[in-house]
Amino acid sequence: GAVVSQHPSRVICKSGTSVKIECRSLDFQATTMFWYRQFPKKSLMLMATSNEGSKATYEQGVEKDKFLINHASLTLSTLTVTSAHPEDSSFYICSASPAGGAAQYFGPGTRLTVL
Amino acid sequence: LAKTTQPISMDSYEGQEVNITCSHNNIATNDYITWYQQFPSQGPRFIIQGYKTKVTNEVASLFIPADRKSSTLSLPRVSLSDTAVYYCLVGGFFSGGYNKLIFGAGTRLAVHP
Repeated sequence: GAVVSQHPSRVICKSGTSVKIECRSLDFQATTMFWYRQFPKKSLMLMATSNEGSKATYEQGVEKDKFLINHASLTLSTLTVTSAHPEDSSFYICSASPAGGAAQYFGPGTRLTVL
Repeated sequence: LAKTTQPISMDSYEGQEVNITCSHNNIATNDYITWYQQFPSQGPRFIIQGYKTKVTNEVASLFIPADRKSSTLSLPRVSLSDTAVYYCLVGGFFSGGYNKLIFGAGTRLAVHP
């Protein structure tokens, strides 16, 4: 139980294009999901909290217009990197928690490479 | 949000028991303590969670003293496949969801033959 998936697992795009990453909770409903990014040899950095049916809450320094988050259902949150640039290349990871649960479960991550 | 402090790295050998201690002096009353394991290019994997005293599951034990200002993850008889980064996190649990987690640097465990 408590499985979180991400799609795609790996994406390469050209600079200036937009990329959408999906995060799904497969066997539970999640009113809240979280998005992180991780650079090589570094720890995870929280980007935003995705709330079902409402606007996401972004951490300080994260551009909300660049990283669009949509939490349209209790099992799906999407992160869209708009007008991607090489510096956006990173490992993006989402997490979700079952309602009433006390632990977060993480997706396998999405490797974004912007050329 | 409670800040956590862990050793940056640890070395061990196959078959040994490994104990990783995490300090969280500012832990709040409703904070749980959760440990995750992460391999390169993978999302963190839940290992164990506790609130107080001792918790044990099939892969690890978690020891939490009465003041809850620290916790120790114990991995029995490690193998080479336990080489990974281990994160200790504290976070609140509220009705309907879970509070956000802030990752520290983690402990890079290297298990040698």
